[in-house]
Amino acid sequence: AQSVTQLGSHVSVSEGALVLLRCNYSSSVPPYLFWYVQYPNQGLQLLLKYTSAATLVKGINGFEAEFKKSETSFHLTKPSAHMSDAAEYFCAVRHSYSGAGSYQLTFGKGTKLSVIP
Amino acid sequence: NAGVTQTPKFQVLKTGQSMTLQCAQDMNHEYMSWYRQDPGMGLRLIHYSVGAGITDQGEVPNGYNVSRSTTEDFPLRLLSAAPSQTSVYFCASSYSSGAPGNTIYFGEGSWLTVV
Repeated sequence: AQSVTQLGSHVSVSEGALVLLRCNYSSSVPPYLFWYVQYPNQGLQLLLKYTSAATLVKGINGFEAEFKKSETSFHLTKPSAHMSDAAEYFCAVRHSYSGAGSYQLTFGKGTKLSVIP
Repeated sequence: NAGVTQTPKFQVLKTGQSMTLQCAQDMNHEYMSWYRQDPGMGLRLIHYSVGAGITDQGEVPNGYNVSRSTTEDFPLRLLSAAPSQTSVYFCASSYSSGAPGNTIYFGEGSWLTVV
């Protein structure tokens, strides 16, 4: 079964520092990988997705992620953290539950990012 | 452009009561789904639908019922609420679920407390 593991339930960075949120996946087939962001008391918003095209994927708000098959990783990065980046981030893999040709999202447990002024 | 709309936003139920969480999307999406979000657990799939009249179970379906009579609506029914169903519920939708690269769009969430 496909799954994702997010390393670190909480990450704190200083404003202006590099943001690195880790995600490793387990998949027996080429994965479709997603990063979502959730601001407090809101729904989930798509940051970026990997769909087997370019391995370096650029998303919204200056975030990007690199798909590394050899490491089964899809880590999320941003060169310079901003206070508005404080949120919870979810990595997800889309896979077939029943093998019947429909694909569902399975989420990691999330990483809360705090940005220190 | 409303996207995915969930009602109610907040609800308090007593144990044993039933209720329905409503979800509607105006994007003509074939695929709709319900997730629950619990602290430290991420989001877990409850039920999903690949089109009107077609539903299937996800990871945590027990205690929930769904139906899909129209493309736009996908209500989630709690048959007999239990404190373990206290959670935040998210409805989501996308174009065909047969294309795994399609983006799934989420509603704003419904906060449910069962006392």
